Amino acid sequence: GQQLNQSPQSMFIQEGEDVSMNCTSSSIFNTWLWYKQDPGEGPVLLIALYKAGELTSNGRLTAQFGITRKDSFLNISASIPSDVGIYFCAGQGNSGGSNYKLTFGKGTLLTVNP
Amino acid sequence: KAGVTQTPRYLIKTRGQQVTLSCSPISGHRSVSWYQQTPGQGLQFLFEYFSETQRNKGNFPGRFSGRQFSNSRSEMNVSTLELGDSALYLCASSLAVGQGKWFFGQGTRLTVV
Repeated sequence: GQQLNQSPQSMFIQEGEDVSMNCTSSSIFNTWLWYKQDPGEGPVLLIALYKAGELTSNGRLTAQFGITRKDSFLNISASIPSDVGIYFCAGQGNSGGSNYKLTFGKGTLLTVNP
Repeated sequence: KAGVTQTPRYLIKTRGQQVTLSCSPISGHRSVSWYQQTPGQGLQFLFEYFSETQRNKGNFPGRFSGRQFSNSRSEMNVSTLELGDSALYLCASSLAVGQGKWFFGQGTRLTVV
């Protein structure tokens, strides 16, 4: 089945630093989504990407849909303590197989030191 | 607009019992999907529903089942619970099939003892 490799697994940074994380896949996706999950809560949608090469921002967050459609990147600029959490990438397949399920990466645990 | 609502938030069950979890999607959303989240396996797809029809099913045993009602609300059922079924069960809703954006509820934390 489809596999998503998300890296890094964890990051420990100082407040104010920029952060980058990425996901790569063995298969093509038509949609990439990025989520943030706090302990005991469900994932919260941060950014959705629909076209290869697309670059989308949401405040201090910027994500890109890779040209090959097999990868995606998330950048967080000027990190703050509330950015702490687990970030997940998720890929969604195309409609050819009627498959709209999300395939998730294993997550990146972000810790921000004030 | 209220988000995805899952009930109950927490459950403790004994091995061999069965459990039913409930999900109310965002108002107007007609697609619902379910995921199991565990520390070892991460987020794994269970089912996807649209207009009361199961469109897709993940690689889980037949003990896991679900359904969607005419008001788009959904339930999932796990029968003959095993210790390994302990997990956070997440429901997500989307406006329509292929719409792309899935919004998650807070989840139901199931503990099997």
